[in-house]
Amino acid sequence: KQEVTQIPAALSVPEGENLVLNCSFTDSAIYNLQWFRQDPGKGLTSLLLIQSSQREQTSGRLNASLDKSSGRSTLYIAASQPGDSATYLCAVLNDYKLSFGAGTTVTVRA
Amino acid sequence: NAGVTQTPKFQVLKTGQSMTLQCAQDMNHEYMSWYRQDPGMGLRLIHYSVGAGITDQGEVPNGYNVSRSTTEDFPLRLLSAAPSQTSVYFCASSYSSAPPYNEQFFGPGTRLTVL
Repeated sequence: KQEVTQIPAALSVPEGENLVLNCSFTDSAIYNLQWFRQDPGKGLTSLLLIQSSQREQTSGRLNASLDKSSGRSTLYIAASQPGDSATYLCAVLNDYKLSFGAGTTVTVRA
Repeated sequence: NAGVTQTPKFQVLKTGQSMTLQCAQDMNHEYMSWYRQDPGMGLRLIHYSVGAGITDQGEVPNGYNVSRSTTEDFPLRLLSAAPSQTSVYFCASSYSSAPPYNEQFFGPGTRLTVL
């Protein structure tokens, strides 16, 4: 059974600092990995999708890397802003099924 | 496009009642799925579908039924609600049900309380 772990569970940084969020998974036979953002009481917003054959994806201030062989992904958010405060979830796809980590809750202090 | 829509947004049920959570997408997506999100448990897959007429169980299917008669709709039925089914339910969809798999899009969720 796929297990997905996200460390740390919570993170508080001053505005302008770069954010580094980690995700690890136990079964490397994944099709892809997806990073989501969730605001309190809201649904999930897709941030980045990395296919298993890719090493990284970038979108604006966001960059995600994937090391499938070691079962790790990292989401970098450059120059954080208070609007980046949210919970960030990573999820991996095996056999039609997305397995989620518990998330990292980020607070960016103004 | 409206994306993935879910109704209702909130629902309160009594133990033993049945109800259907609605999910629809207007993006011609093949793959649709249902998740529940509980504090400390994260999101867990209930059921999924790879196309009209095809459904399968996820991680926590007990107490729930699904069917997929059209590409657009994927309702989730609670047969006899129990307090353990109090949760936030999310529907998701993606374009392909075969490699390379596309990103999944989530609906806004239904917050269900069973008394």
